[in-house]
Amino acid sequence: ILNVEQSPQSLHVQEGDSTNFTCSFPSSNFYALHWYRWETAKSPEALFVMTLNGDEKKKGRISATLNTKEGYSYLYIKGSQPEDSATYLCAPPLEEKLTFGTGTRLTIIP
Amino acid sequence: GAGVSQSPSNKVTEKGKDVELRCDPISGHTALYWYRQSLGQGLEFLIYFQGNSAPDKSGLPSDRFSAERTGGSVSTLTIQRTQQEDSAVYLCASSAQGALPSYEQYFGPGTRLTVT
Repeated sequence: ILNVEQSPQSLHVQEGDSTNFTCSFPSSNFYALHWYRWETAKSPEALFVMTLNGDEKKKGRISATLNTKEGYSYLYIKGSQPEDSATYLCAPPLEEKLTFGTGTRLTIIP
Repeated sequence: GAGVSQSPSNKVTEKGKDVELRCDPISGHTALYWYRQSLGQGLEFLIYFQGNSAPDKSGLPSDRFSAERTGGSVSTLTIQRTQQEDSAVYLCASSAQGALPSYEQYFGPGTRLTVT
């Protein structure tokens, strides 16, 4: 059974501050790691799909790193803005199915 | 182009009734997934369709749940004899290259099911 853990479960960050959170997963049989952002009343939206150990991807103020040998990925947000408030989900695939963590709920305080 | 659509957006039903939830994937996407999120829980995989292959039903929680995908496009998730624990947001997603886990999934807006 694949165990995906995300921490912290929730986070409050002052607008303008930077933050990061973690996704941990079993490192064996790794294929790829997905990060999704899920805003309230909207659909989950893909941020990154990462496949290689040491991968680092960036989209605007958001970036992610991947360590497949030790089984973790970090998501970083630089200069948080109110629109960053959302639940951030990571998902390593188990066979052909994404196995989602419970997410980190991020709230940006204006 | 159009994204993944789901209907209805909200459904309230009485315990014991059957419900049908519909998903229209992005045109041309071969893979279609159903997930649900119960209150306080993460996204839970339910079922996966890939092209003409037999669906992966390993995530369906009971035999009251079934799904079909007609013509490789629209999918319907049916829950028979609904129970209160079936209350959740049901999400559908599609992917262009569903068999490969390195391709992102596109999610619909979800159907919020409430069983009273």
